[in-house]
Amino acid sequence: DAGVTQSPTHLIKTRGQQVTLRCSPKSGHDTVSWYQQALGQGPQFIFQYYEEEERQRGNFPDRFSGHQYPNYSSELNVNALLLGDSALYLCASSLLGLAGEETQYFGPGTRLLVL
Amino acid sequence: QKEVEQNSGPLSVPEGAIASLNCTYSDRVSQSFFWYRQYSGKSPELIMSIYSNGDKEDGRFTAQLNKASQYVSLLIRDSQPSDSATYLCASGRGKLIFGQGTELSVKP
Repeated sequence: DAGVTQSPTHLIKTRGQQVTLRCSPKSGHDTVSWYQQALGQGPQFIFQYYEEEERQRGNFPDRFSGHQYPNYSSELNVNALLLGDSALYLCASSLLGLAGEETQYFGPGTRLLVL
Repeated sequence: QKEVEQNSGPLSVPEGAIASLNCTYSDRVSQSFFWYRQYSGKSPELIMSIYSNGDKEDGRFTAQLNKASQYVSLLIRDSQPSDSATYLCASGRGKLIFGQGTELSVKP
């Protein structure tokens, strides 16, 4: 059973550039969430995609955008990179249960360094 | 601002002891709670989910939820050096709100 996969594993960019991160959900899951984790902090919610629509969004600027494809895979795009965008970017997939419960499983993450 | 608070630690326990990790949350209507383990340089790994008041046991792990006190805890029995990691408490549905994590060190 394939778990959540993310690519690339590491990325180095310079300020002002744009980056695209990719995620494939766990088999059978239809929902993808993205988180940013700075060193020494807990993950911060960016947004969640379900049925190719952004369902929820955290307190991140419009420079952060996303997309979900019909096969449930997802992309996170960040424009006009800032030094402060350096972090571990985590993708989590989930499937809404019959009782309304939803458990998120994380991929290995993409470590982004902005110079 | 909905928050989840954890003691940052580090928490140090000897091998074989019980490790107790605590978490409080501010959102009274939150129904779902999770404990994740994160090894250094790795991504969070789900340990337990808990939705109802009381205890939930899975192997050496027991999660405890008290909604009246807005408190959730994780007990690790017979702690092993391999349990040394940062433990993240999270609440929510869809948008998970995480605490800052508690670093646990199990000494042989």
